[in-house]
Amino acid sequence: AQKVTQAQTEISVVEKEDVTLDCVYETRDTTYYLFWYKQPPSGELVFLIRRNSFDEQNEISGRYSWNFQKSTSSFNFTITASQVVDSAVYFCALTLTSGTYKYIFGTGTRLKVLA
Amino acid sequence: DAGVTQSPTHLIKTRGQQVTLRCSPKSGHDTVSWYQQALGQGPQFIFQYYEEEERQRGNFPDRFSGHQFPNYSSELNVNALLLGDSALYLCASSPGWTGPQDTQYFGPGTRLTVL
Repeated sequence: AQKVTQAQTEISVVEKEDVTLDCVYETRDTTYYLFWYKQPPSGELVFLIRRNSFDEQNEISGRYSWNFQKSTSSFNFTITASQVVDSAVYFCALTLTSGTYKYIFGTGTRLKVLA
Repeated sequence: DAGVTQSPTHLIKTRGQQVTLRCSPKSGHDTVSWYQQALGQGPQFIFQYYEEEERQRGNFPDRFSGHQFPNYSSELNVNALLLGDSALYLCASSPGWTGPQDTQYFGPGTRLTVL
């Protein structure tokens, strides 16, 4: 069975601090995809990134960066120089490449960025 | 380019009633998935529709049913509502042709309250 764990329920930081959101996943499959989504108070899940299990390169997009480590089954998300607009709930999700079409989500991490 | 749209935004029903939620996918997408998100939890997969057929179903009772129309829009129906059905219902669309790992794009959700 597949599982995604986001152990950090809530994180508070002061604006301009860096913050890392942790994601640990479980699957016996060797091919899979990992995702991060942002859910602002409006409720809509906003897609941030997709990473396949064969690509362990870290990725940077502006103030966002992602660290994928298969050895520890982790796909962590770092926001550099956080801003108040980054306040939201962030979800990590996992899907397999065959046999299923569903995403398995973690329970989310609520990030509060204080001015 | 319109994203995923859902209606209504909010809905209040009483126990035992039936409800229909609607979703229009992103332009160019032919696959629709439905998720239930309880307060403080991650989204849980209900089912996915592709080519007007239910392609996969999550662990939800038969009270949850759906439909996809030829224009790819979709409905989620819930019968005999229970208090525990109160949640945010999210619709997601994806291209469908690249496989299970398609990135799913989410709508703003319908907040259902059952009294």
